[in-house]
Amino acid sequence: GENVEQHPSTLSVQEGDSAVIKCTYSDSASNYFPWYKQELGKGPQLIIDIRSNVGEKKDQRIAVTLNKTAKHFSLHITETQPEDSAVYFCAAHTGGFKTIFGAGTRLFVKA
Amino acid sequence: GAGVSQSPSNKVTEKGKDVELRCDPISGHTALYWYRQSLGQGLEFLIYFQGNSAPDKSGLPSDRFSAERTGGSVSTLTIQRTQQEDSAVYLCASSVGGGGGEKLFFGSGTQLSVL
Repeated sequence: GENVEQHPSTLSVQEGDSAVIKCTYSDSASNYFPWYKQELGKGPQLIIDIRSNVGEKKDQRIAVTLNKTAKHFSLHITETQPEDSAVYFCAAHTGGFKTIFGAGTRLFVKA
Repeated sequence: GAGVSQSPSNKVTEKGKDVELRCDPISGHTALYWYRQSLGQGLEFLIYFQGNSAPDKSGLPSDRFSAERTGGSVSTLTIQRTQQEDSAVYLCASSVGGGGGEKLFFGSGTQLSVL
């Protein structure tokens, strides 16, 4: 089955700097890669997603890139702000219904 | 509109007791998922419901865990004879259910503590 690995587990950046979170997946049939943000005491919320026919997608300060050959995808947050502090999960979807999540990255943005 | 609602938000129980966790998905969403999130860990898939199809229970960790979905809407996750290792946040999510990769809408979860 699909396996998703996520790095780093913890990331601390200064406000205004960029943050990058990387994930790898094992199943080459995976075709949908969402990213979720989880704030304390809340459920995860989708922030951006990318499908396998696209290499890059951007939404304001966040962007996601996908390298299908290497089975890598990454989340980039520019001009980080304290409210970006949260746990971020990458995930991969291989047809059917099952979405497999990475272990999460706890991002701290220091003011 | 209303999002995914889970109750209770917190549940403390004694080892060996049974617990029921409830999930109200977004109206009109045909797909419903249960995930478990242990402290500092990722989301572990438990079970999936899609419309009137038989649920996929492949993620349930033991036969002490079961779930049902009545009328294609509300779902209940039941854990029998709870153990301390069952302590975690149990998250419910729903989606439109189109079959392809799609956005999951999560509830805020039930924090289960087994003493």
